[in-house]
Amino acid sequence: EVQLVQSGAEVKKPGDSLKISCKGFGYSFPNYWIGWVRQMPGKGLEWMGMIYVGESEIRYSPSFQGQVTISADESISTAYLQWSSLKASDSAMYYCARRRNPFGELSLDFWGQGTLVTVSS
Amino acid sequence: DIQMTQSPSSLSVSIGDTVTITCRASQSISRYLNWYQHKPGKAPKLLIYSASTLHSGVPSRFSGSGSGTDFTLTISSLQPEDCATYYCQQSYSPYSFGQGTKVEIK
Repeated sequence: EVQLVQSGAEVKKPGDSLKISCKGFGYSFPNYWIGWVRQMPGKGLEWMGMIYVGESEIRYSPSFQGQVTISADESISTAYLQWSSLKASDSAMYYCARRRNPFGELSLDFWGQGTLVTVSS
Repeated sequence: DIQMTQSPSSLSVSIGDTVTITCRASQSISRYLNWYQHKPGKAPKLLIYSASTLHSGVPSRFSGSGSGTDFTLTISSLQPEDCATYYCQQSYSPYSFGQGTKVEIK
């Protein structure tokens, strides 16, 4: 069974760094893209970017380029989303999701349960 | 960037009704359009990809149509478990979502 399991909720202060994770089970993790999606409180879904794990090819949404870093460690089937200096506006739920077709249309067929990040002084 | 506009933003319907949600792209995206269902506290679920292909395990009451700039998600005979927010997503570049349509039961 394909599963993506994300790390737990985080409470941080502005200026802190943070790295959240997304571990894949039940499929060949290196052969798929993993995308990240943000949902701010009361708002819709926003595409952040994605990584093709086996080749570490990364694509960012222009809105998030330079704001976050996406990475992965295929040896432990885990993708990461990290911030070097959090802002209050980074408070949101973050989802990872698998791209259904690695080389065709981009749809996201399996999703993690989400990681809630709260940034508050 | 390609902007995706969904309408309506919310709707209240009765069990058994047919629901139609539209999604318009600011430029042609061919058939690179997906639909997701999102319930509070849950992960989003893929319903339809490539505008009209039903994802595995999704009930046949869900269907999608359209190409170019105009797309439609139809839920025929709405069931209680279909209460959710529905998002379109263009997968042309760089993969933006619509603002969502919340479906509630009257």
